[in-house]
Amino acid sequence: NAGVTQTPKFQVLKTGQSMTLQCAQDMNHEYMSWYRQDPGMGLRLIHYSVGAGITDQGEVPNGYNVSRSTTEDFPLRLLSAAPSQTSVYFCASSKGSGQGGQPQHFGDGTRLSIL
Amino acid sequence: GIQVEQSPPDLILQEGANSTLRCNFSDSVNNLQWFHQNPWGQLINLFYIPSGTKQNGRLSATTVATERYSLLYISSSQTTDSGVYFCAVHFLLGTSYGKLTFGQGTILTVHP
Repeated sequence: NAGVTQTPKFQVLKTGQSMTLQCAQDMNHEYMSWYRQDPGMGLRLIHYSVGAGITDQGEVPNGYNVSRSTTEDFPLRLLSAAPSQTSVYFCASSKGSGQGGQPQHFGDGTRLSIL
Repeated sequence: GIQVEQSPPDLILQEGANSTLRCNFSDSVNNLQWFHQNPWGQLINLFYIPSGTKQNGRLSATTVATERYSLLYISSSQTTDSGVYFCAVHFLLGTSYGKLTFGQGTILTVHP
């Protein structure tokens, strides 16, 4: 099993450009989520999904869109990149049971720089 | 408020030494995970331990849920153990479904 796969690993964008960060998992997990990691701020939840067709906002959703058309994929879209979105982005997945307390598996991260 | 606190913030060891990292959390949890973030930035899942004790090689962890803390033990440390260790919890109440709240981490440096 590949686990949670994120692409690309690195990306540099100019302010105002758009892009999609890809996340795929092969564990048939219902729950998927996106975090961003910033120095001094730890990891913060951006968006999450409890199953195909269902998404919801986390604590820092502004500037990001998500959709979940399949169980396997959960892409994160930046519509108009801003320097404040320079960060490391992690995707995670888990089974959807246990009141949200299942162990979560993380991808290797995408390092994004906005100039 | 809901909090996860880790101590110590920094730890410097000589190779072969043992260490204990602590994670305190403010409310009831049904998930607690320990992660190692290596120098390449990868988050490696060490333990899923909402309660009880587990061991994996030189690493072991104990969570005392009723007292709201968890400990990560590293024995006979190696230079490859260097990095940042995070504790992350899922609180039973007052949080988004599945959301992990991370501590600020312990930066471990192991010298040869």
